[in-house]
Amino acid sequence: KAGVTQTPRYLIKTRGQQVTLSCSPISGHRSVSWYQQTPGQGLQFLFEYFSETQRNKGNFPGRFSGRQFSNSRSEMNVSTLELGDSALYLCASSLDRGNQPQHFGDGTRLSIL
Amino acid sequence: AQSVTQLGSHVSVSEGALVLLRCNYSSSVPPYLFWYVQYPNQGLQLLLKYTSAATLVKGINGFEAEFKKSETSFHLTKPSAHMSDAAEYFCAVTSDSGGSNYKLTFGKGTLLTVNP
Repeated sequence: KAGVTQTPRYLIKTRGQQVTLSCSPISGHRSVSWYQQTPGQGLQFLFEYFSETQRNKGNFPGRFSGRQFSNSRSEMNVSTLELGDSALYLCASSLDRGNQPQHFGDGTRLSIL
Repeated sequence: AQSVTQLGSHVSVSEGALVLLRCNYSSSVPPYLFWYVQYPNQGLQLLLKYTSAATLVKGINGFEAEFKKSETSFHLTKPSAHMSDAAEYFCAVTSDSGGSNYKLTFGKGTLLTVNP
């Protein structure tokens, strides 16, 4: 069974640009969550999607957004990029909502110049 | 609100020695607890989970963790360290509050070094 797939693995952008990251969950998984990982702040929750609806959101500015498609694939978008957005962005999927284990992809490393 | 504290950002052990990584949690409702491992340039891999079925939880790669409610702890152990265990380990908590707050809250992580 294929794991969580995130594309691209690496991205380099400049300040002010926008970026879209993609996540394909494990087949049959319906919940997708996104996390930001930085050396200073660690792992921080961005948002969770289930049935194409955002169900939960972390403490991030509105520049961070996402969506989920009918096949459970998800994308996150960051607009007006800032230097501080440089991070590893991790996507995780779980079978359903609730306190079930989340399975992570290898992440997209975003570097802002 | 929930939180996780991992004591020791860096732990160094010799190959064959006991591994003990500490995790304390705070949660206003019964918690669900997880340990994840992250190897360089990779995502997080689930090691084990506690979901109230048993206080001693066995995971992959010989790791286990014990849930102690009185100490609000969920420490990770392995009897004998192997070189391949060198990685960063994260403790995480979520809780069934009856609402919609199913996000994982992570500790800051503990980097495990295994010396030959």
